[in-house]
Amino acid sequence: DTAVSQTPKYLVTQMGNDKSIKCEQNLGHDTMYWYKQDSKKFLKIMFSYNNKELIINETVPNRFSPKSPDKAHLNLHINSLELGDSAVYFCASSPSDRAHYEQYFGPGTRLTVT
Amino acid sequence: LAKTTQPISMDSYEGQEVNITCSHNNIATNDYITWYQQFPSQGPRFIIQGYKTKVTNEVASLFIPADRKSSTLSLPRVSLSDTAVYYCLVGAANSGYALNFGKGTSLLVTP
Repeated sequence: DTAVSQTPKYLVTQMGNDKSIKCEQNLGHDTMYWYKQDSKKFLKIMFSYNNKELIINETVPNRFSPKSPDKAHLNLHINSLELGDSAVYFCASSPSDRAHYEQYFGPGTRLTVT
Repeated sequence: LAKTTQPISMDSYEGQEVNITCSHNNIATNDYITWYQQFPSQGPRFIIQGYKTKVTNEVASLFIPADRKSSTLSLPRVSLSDTAVYYCLVGAANSGYALNFGKGTSLLVTP
């Protein structure tokens, strides 16, 4: 069983479109995260949810909207996609919102905006 | 907030011990030091974590001097499969800064 899963694995779309990436964890963790890894390999936190509540919201355009229907799911919706949104997006989960707790990452979703 | 500095890249031959040092001069009293490993096309994977002195597990060792202003990840007898990016994180409180992995250290192991 995959601990943290993401769908889709690859996403190719045109500028201006709206798309969603789904994430699910079966580890029973309270906290989930979205990260963005750009072409230069910087891996940066975007959002964090703890028990379905938003606790971290880094400097991310409001075109990005996370939604957590329950503790096991954290989806990422992106409106009006731009070329600069092309990156690999990773979902992760951890037992606690304390930053030093081990995080478990999903396989990533490679988003290409053309 | 503790900021980390680590080498951009390192090279090693198979069978050698590799030491990657991370500087974190502004580490806070309640901060932990955590290392992750990322293979190409995969998400990062937790390797080891420590607070002070030395921690060892089946994958690596982590050496932390008394002042905690730096830490060294030690990989014994690396193999080609240890080629990956290694990230050093410092933090305890829940903050976005503590969760920025940065660019890490790209380790290349060759025969």
